[in-house]
Amino acid sequence: EVQLVESGGGLVKPGGSLRLSCAASGFTFSSYSMNWVRQAPGKGLEWVSSISSSSSYIYYADSVKGRFTISRDNAKNSLYLQMNSLRAEDTAVYYCARARTGTNWFDPWGQGTLVTVSS
Amino acid sequence: DIQMTQSPSSVSASVGDRVTITCRASQGISSWLAWYQQKPGKAPKLLIYAASSLQSGVPSRFSGSGSGTDFTLTISSLQPEDFATYYCQQANSFPPTFGPGTKVDIK
Repeated sequence: EVQLVESGGGLVKPGGSLRLSCAASGFTFSSYSMNWVRQAPGKGLEWVSSISSSSSYIYYADSVKGRFTISRDNAKNSLYLQMNSLRAEDTAVYYCARARTGTNWFDPWGQGTLVTVSS
Repeated sequence: DIQMTQSPSSVSASVGDRVTITCRASQGISSWLAWYQQKPGKAPKLLIYAASSLQSGVPSRFSGSGSGTDFTLTISSLQPEDFATYYCQQANSFPPTFGPGTKVDIK
Protein backbone atom coordinates (compact mmCIF):
# COMPACT_ATOMS: atom_id res chain seq x y z
CA GLU A 1 0.00 0.00 0.00
CA VAL A 2 1.31 3.42 -0.95
CA GLN A 3 1.61 5.52 2.19
CA LEU A 4 2.90 8.95 3.14
CA VAL A 5 3.22 9.90 6.81
CA GLU A 6 4.12 13.44 7.86
CA SER A 7 5.62 14.42 11.19
CA GLY A 8 7.33 17.36 12.84
CA GLY A 9 4.49 19.84 13.15
CA GLY A 10 3.81 21.80 16.30
CA LEU A 11 3.60 25.20 17.93
CA VAL A 12 6.40 27.65 17.16
CA LYS A 13 6.88 31.36 17.81
CA PRO A 14 7.05 33.89 14.99
CA GLY A 15 10.56 33.97 13.60
CA GLY A 16 11.20 30.40 14.70
CA SER A 17 12.06 27.29 12.72
CA LEU A 18 10.60 23.85 12.23
CA ARG A 19 11.51 20.83 10.12
CA LEU A 20 8.79 18.65 8.68
CA SER A 21 9.38 15.09 7.55
CA CYS A 22 7.40 12.78 5.30
CA ALA A 23 8.08 9.05 5.37
CA ALA A 24 7.13 7.20 2.21
CA SER A 25 6.43 3.50 1.79
CA GLY A 26 4.83 1.13 -0.68
CA PHE A 27 6.43 2.57 -3.81
CA THR A 28 9.82 3.35 -5.33
CA PHE A 29 10.31 6.73 -3.70
CA SER A 30 13.38 7.61 -5.76
CA SER A 31 11.32 7.52 -8.98
CA TYR A 32 8.84 10.25 -8.10
CA SER A 33 8.76 14.00 -7.68
CA MET A 34 7.39 15.03 -4.32
CA ASN A 35 5.55 18.08 -3.09
CA TRP A 36 4.42 19.99 -0.03
CA VAL A 37 0.94 21.52 -0.09
CA ARG A 38 -0.57 23.45 2.81
CA GLN A 39 -4.02 24.42 3.99
CA ALA A 40 -4.61 27.23 6.45
CA PRO A 41 -7.45 26.63 8.92
CA GLY A 42 -10.77 26.86 7.11
CA LYS A 43 -9.08 27.83 3.85
CA GLY A 44 -8.20 26.27 0.51
CA LEU A 45 -5.16 24.43 -0.74
CA GLU A 46 -1.86 26.15 -1.50
CA TRP A 47 1.08 24.43 -3.19
CA VAL A 48 4.31 25.17 -1.32
CA SER A 49 7.23 23.37 -2.94
CA SER A 50 8.25 20.60 -5.32
CA ILE A 51 11.40 18.51 -5.68
CA SER A 52 12.22 16.19 -8.56
CA SER A 53 13.15 12.55 -8.08
CA SER A 54 16.91 13.20 -8.05
CA SER A 55 16.65 16.65 -6.43
CA SER A 56 17.78 18.27 -9.69
CA TYR A 57 14.74 20.51 -9.93
CA ILE A 58 13.31 22.42 -6.99
CA TYR A 59 10.49 24.96 -7.00
CA TYR A 60 8.94 27.16 -4.34
CA ALA A 61 5.86 29.30 -4.00
CA ASP A 62 6.72 33.00 -3.84
CA SER A 63 5.18 33.10 -0.36
CA VAL A 64 7.90 30.83 1.07
CA LYS A 65 10.87 31.44 -1.23
CA GLY A 66 14.00 32.24 0.75
CA ARG A 67 12.51 30.93 4.00
CA PHE A 68 11.67 27.29 3.28
CA THR A 69 13.95 24.57 1.92
CA ILE A 70 12.72 21.28 0.48
CA SER A 71 14.99 18.25 0.41
CA ARG A 72 14.81 14.49 0.19
CA ASP A 73 16.82 11.42 1.12
CA ASN A 74 16.07 8.65 -1.34
CA ALA A 75 18.04 6.13 0.74
CA LYS A 76 15.69 6.79 3.66
CA ASN A 77 12.52 7.19 1.53
CA SER A 78 11.99 10.55 3.17
CA LEU A 79 10.99 14.08 2.18
CA TYR A 80 11.71 17.15 4.28
CA LEU A 81 10.68 20.77 4.58
CA GLN A 82 12.91 23.09 6.59
CA MET A 83 10.89 26.14 7.56
CA ASN A 84 12.71 29.21 8.86
CA SER A 85 11.58 32.73 9.74
CA LEU A 86 8.07 31.45 10.32
CA ARG A 87 5.16 33.87 10.24
CA ALA A 88 1.62 33.69 11.55
CA GLU A 89 0.40 33.26 7.99
CA ASP A 90 2.38 30.01 7.70
CA THR A 91 -0.05 28.42 10.16
CA ALA A 92 -1.57 25.49 8.28
CA VAL A 93 -1.82 21.77 7.89
CA TYR A 94 1.11 20.72 5.73
CA TYR A 95 0.59 17.74 3.42
CA CYS A 96 3.20 15.86 1.48
CA ALA A 97 1.99 14.55 -1.84
CA ARG A 98 3.47 12.44 -4.58
CA ALA A 99 3.34 13.71 -8.13
CA ARG A 100 2.24 11.26 -10.78
CA THR A 101 5.07 10.57 -13.19
CA GLY A 102 5.58 13.38 -15.66
CA THR A 103 2.76 15.45 -14.23
CA ASN A 104 1.79 17.67 -11.33
CA TRP A 105 -1.24 15.62 -10.33
CA PHE A 106 -0.93 14.93 -6.62
CA ASP A 107 -1.68 11.37 -5.60
CA PRO A 108 -1.60 10.19 -2.92
CA TRP A 109 -1.44 12.67 -0.05
CA GLY A 110 -0.30 12.13 3.51
CA GLN A 111 -2.61 12.76 6.45
CA GLY A 112 -0.99 16.13 7.15
CA THR A 113 0.80 17.73 10.07
CA LEU A 114 -0.34 20.95 11.74
CA VAL A 115 2.04 23.87 12.08
CA THR A 116 0.91 26.70 14.33
CA VAL A 117 2.91 29.91 14.42
CA SER A 118 1.89 31.99 17.41
CA SER A 119 3.44 33.85 20.30
CA ASP B 1 0.58 32.57 -12.11
CA ILE B 2 -2.55 30.94 -13.50
CA GLN B 3 -5.62 31.83 -11.41
CA MET B 4 -8.35 29.24 -10.92
CA THR B 5 -11.93 30.10 -10.08
CA GLN B 6 -14.81 27.79 -9.19
CA SER B 7 -18.56 28.18 -9.13
CA PRO B 8 -20.62 27.87 -7.16
CA SER B 9 -18.72 28.28 -3.91
CA SER B 10 -21.27 26.02 -2.26
CA VAL B 11 -24.23 23.93 -3.30
CA SER B 12 -26.95 22.26 -1.28
CA ALA B 13 -28.21 19.07 -2.82
CA SER B 14 -30.09 15.91 -2.00
CA VAL B 15 -29.09 12.29 -2.39
CA GLY B 16 -29.73 11.30 -5.98
CA ASP B 17 -29.32 14.80 -7.38
CA ARG B 18 -27.08 15.62 -10.31
CA VAL B 19 -24.45 18.15 -9.29
CA THR B 20 -22.23 20.16 -11.63
CA ILE B 21 -19.26 22.27 -10.53
CA THR B 22 -17.47 24.64 -12.86
CA CYS B 23 -13.81 25.59 -12.87
CA ARG B 24 -12.22 28.31 -14.98
CA ALA B 25 -8.54 29.03 -15.61
CA SER B 26 -7.23 32.54 -16.21
CA GLN B 27 -5.42 31.29 -19.31
CA GLY B 28 -5.54 28.18 -21.44
CA ILE B 29 -4.28 25.02 -19.78
CA SER B 30 -5.23 22.47 -22.43
CA SER B 31 -6.38 19.43 -20.42
CA TRP B 32 -3.96 19.89 -17.54
CA LEU B 33 -6.66 19.92 -14.90
CA ALA B 34 -7.36 17.73 -11.90
CA TRP B 35 -10.25 17.49 -9.45
CA TYR B 36 -9.86 16.55 -5.78
CA GLN B 37 -12.36 15.66 -3.09
CA GLN B 38 -11.70 16.60 0.51
CA LYS B 39 -13.76 15.55 3.51
CA PRO B 40 -13.47 17.38 6.85
CA GLY B 41 -10.27 16.55 8.70
CA LYS B 42 -8.97 14.42 5.84
CA ALA B 43 -6.42 14.83 3.10
CA PRO B 44 -7.56 15.62 -0.45
CA LYS B 45 -8.14 12.68 -2.76
CA LEU B 46 -7.53 12.73 -6.51
CA LEU B 47 -10.75 12.07 -8.44
CA ILE B 48 -10.12 13.18 -12.01
CA TYR B 49 -6.94 14.01 -13.89
CA ALA B 50 -6.25 15.25 -17.39
CA ALA B 51 -9.66 16.94 -17.22
CA SER B 52 -11.68 13.78 -17.86
CA SER B 53 -9.72 10.69 -16.79
CA LEU B 54 -11.18 8.89 -13.79
CA GLN B 55 -8.67 7.94 -11.11
CA SER B 56 -8.59 4.23 -10.33
CA GLY B 57 -11.15 3.28 -7.70
CA VAL B 58 -13.28 6.40 -8.13
CA PRO B 59 -16.97 5.65 -8.77
CA SER B 60 -18.21 6.17 -12.32
CA ARG B 61 -20.83 8.67 -11.16
CA PHE B 62 -17.98 11.19 -11.17
CA SER B 63 -17.03 12.64 -14.53
CA GLY B 64 -15.02 15.56 -15.81
CA SER B 65 -15.01 17.50 -19.04
CA GLY B 66 -13.56 20.57 -20.67
CA SER B 67 -10.34 21.91 -22.11
CA GLY B 68 -8.64 25.24 -22.52
CA THR B 69 -10.09 27.48 -19.81
CA ASP B 70 -13.45 25.97 -18.88
CA PHE B 71 -13.99 22.69 -17.05
CA THR B 72 -16.76 20.87 -15.23
CA LEU B 73 -17.02 18.16 -12.62
CA THR B 74 -20.32 16.28 -12.62
CA ILE B 75 -21.66 13.91 -10.01
CA SER B 76 -24.47 12.10 -11.79
CA SER B 77 -26.32 10.85 -8.72
CA LEU B 78 -25.15 12.26 -5.41
CA GLN B 79 -24.47 9.70 -2.70
CA PRO B 80 -24.19 10.32 1.06
CA GLU B 81 -20.42 9.82 0.94
CA ASP B 82 -20.05 12.55 -1.71
CA PHE B 83 -20.78 15.41 0.66
CA ALA B 84 -17.41 17.13 0.71
CA THR B 85 -15.43 20.04 -0.71
CA TYR B 86 -14.16 19.77 -4.27
CA TYR B 87 -11.10 21.56 -5.63
CA CYS B 88 -9.83 21.95 -9.16
CA GLN B 89 -6.09 22.30 -9.83
CA GLN B 90 -4.15 23.27 -12.91
CA ALA B 91 -0.96 21.36 -13.70
CA ASN B 92 -0.07 23.18 -16.90
CA SER B 93 2.70 25.28 -15.40
CA PHE B 94 4.45 26.17 -12.16
CA PRO B 95 3.23 27.05 -9.72
CA PRO B 96 0.43 24.50 -9.60
CA THR B 97 -2.64 26.41 -8.45
CA PHE B 98 -5.93 25.34 -6.94
CA GLY B 99 -9.41 26.75 -7.18
CA PRO B 100 -11.00 28.07 -3.97
CA GLY B 101 -13.19 25.02 -3.57
CA THR B 102 -16.87 24.13 -3.82
CA LYS B 103 -18.60 22.74 -0.77
CA VAL B 104 -21.34 20.23 -1.46
CA ASP B 105 -23.64 19.85 1.52
CA ILE B 106 -26.95 18.28 2.34
CA LYS B 107 -30.12 20.15 1.45
